[in-house]
Amino acid sequence: NAGVMQNPRHLVRRRGQEARLRCSPMKGHSHVYWYRQLPEEGLKFMVYLQKENIIDESGMPKERFSAEFPKEGPSILRIQQVVRGDSAAYFCASSLGRSNQPQHFGDGTRLSIL
Amino acid sequence: GNSVTQMEGPVTLSEEAFLTINCTYTATGYPSLFWYVQYPGEGLQLLLKATKADDKGSNKGFEATYRKETTSFHLEKGSVQVSDSAVYFCALSDPTQSTGNQFYFGTGTSLTVIP
Repeated sequence: NAGVMQNPRHLVRRRGQEARLRCSPMKGHSHVYWYRQLPEEGLKFMVYLQKENIIDESGMPKERFSAEFPKEGPSILRIQQVVRGDSAAYFCASSLGRSNQPQHFGDGTRLSIL
Repeated sequence: GNSVTQMEGPVTLSEEAFLTINCTYTATGYPSLFWYVQYPGEGLQLLLKATKADDKGSNKGFEATYRKETTSFHLEKGSVQVSDSAVYFCALSDPTQSTGNQFYFGTGTSLTVIP
């Protein structure tokens, strides 16, 4: 009965490299959400996806960031040409997609940019 | 639109003190309401929820009542412990989306309980 699985737990990249963060939702969940949390700050919504569709990407930076949730496999949050300001914890959550059902969170990926 | 406003922290209490963390919301529809807790270095965990007016969610000694008339969902605990030190997030789920459900989170309230 695995929960939301994120990997890697920690990721170190140099400026200009690419970062790929993976999220496998809970079994049976087809809705995935990505959030960013900066130190000492709250959660910032980034993107909401359903299988093969982006439902809401209003929180995604216009450049360098992209997300997908393919028919098979995990959801991927991709950050190209990373900069120091991308250092944060990135959390993935999944849900059944009904309003009375909670989101379930993974333990996050801590991204550090050197 | 939809939004959640939480009491600003940080909050520091002595062990066995009474806790209240205020949360108010605005919503276009009839939302479900949630409290999450985040311990250091971990993701958010669901603490409790309420899906309709006057429902009371409860878990681990924490309680919150869905008050439609005051649009509030305040978190309370009668006697806090050191192990309750964490960040608490209030959230609502918007039922008016035609596909799935969008969540709106408060900014979080940091609680530290000292022995």
